[in-house]
Amino acid sequence: QSVLTQPPSASGTPGQRVTISCSGSSSNIGSNYVYWYQQLPGTAPKLLIYRNNQRPSGVPDRFSGSKSGTSASLAISGLRSEDEADYYCAAWDDSLSGGLFGGGTKLTVL
Amino acid sequence: QVQLVQSGAEVKKPGSSVKVSCKASGGTFSSYAISWVRQAPGQGLEWMGGIIPIFGTANYAQKFQGRVTITADESTSTAYMELSSLRSEDTAVYYCARVRYSSSFQLTLECDYWGQGTLVTVSS
Repeated sequence: QSVLTQPPSASGTPGQRVTISCSGSSSNIGSNYVYWYQQLPGTAPKLLIYRNNQRPSGVPDRFSGSKSGTSASLAISGLRSEDEADYYCAAWDDSLSGGLFGGGTKLTVL
Repeated sequence: QVQLVQSGAEVKKPGSSVKVSCKASGGTFSSYAISWVRQAPGQGLEWMGGIIPIFGTANYAQKFQGRVTITADESTSTAYMELSSLRSEDTAVYYCARVRYSSSFQLTLECDYWGQGTLVTVSS
């Protein structure tokens, strides 16, 4: 069981807005940046959000990240079929002196 | 264009070791760190550790302490991950990733470029 907790699944219809949560603790999310990754089937993960809410060049502004206390969220607006993928949150943990990934959320576009 | 190219798939016996390489091109190798992340079949991502090549000191996840060694060769822009005492649970795809380190020279999880992954199968 991951220290960063994500719902195992989420779903939405095209055009809808969905959010994926990531719950941690004071030693990880509470005191460090949160990152979000998208992984399409059979491919390497792709950086989607860095430093809580920053988007790398090329990532559509439909994707946004936020953080409050020991939790973080990824929001996807204007959902598209190509957004169907696994999404992972990640954060450094000061107590473990190491990196952590959430368990992942499988997003289905209905 | 930044590229990370990993070595090919491996099949190993339980108790043996595996060493996976990750050659970087298209960027300044010494300006970034390299981390290793693995993914068991059907499972999530797991951070194993990382290294800042200009310092040469690696940081490992507690789970892998004593079993993993991460090194980097600046002269060839190549990073390596060696995992020993392999068991069936180590069967996974192993990824290297280029990582930005903080202003205080600490590893982060800002992995902006990834290798293609290397499948390591541990089986008797």
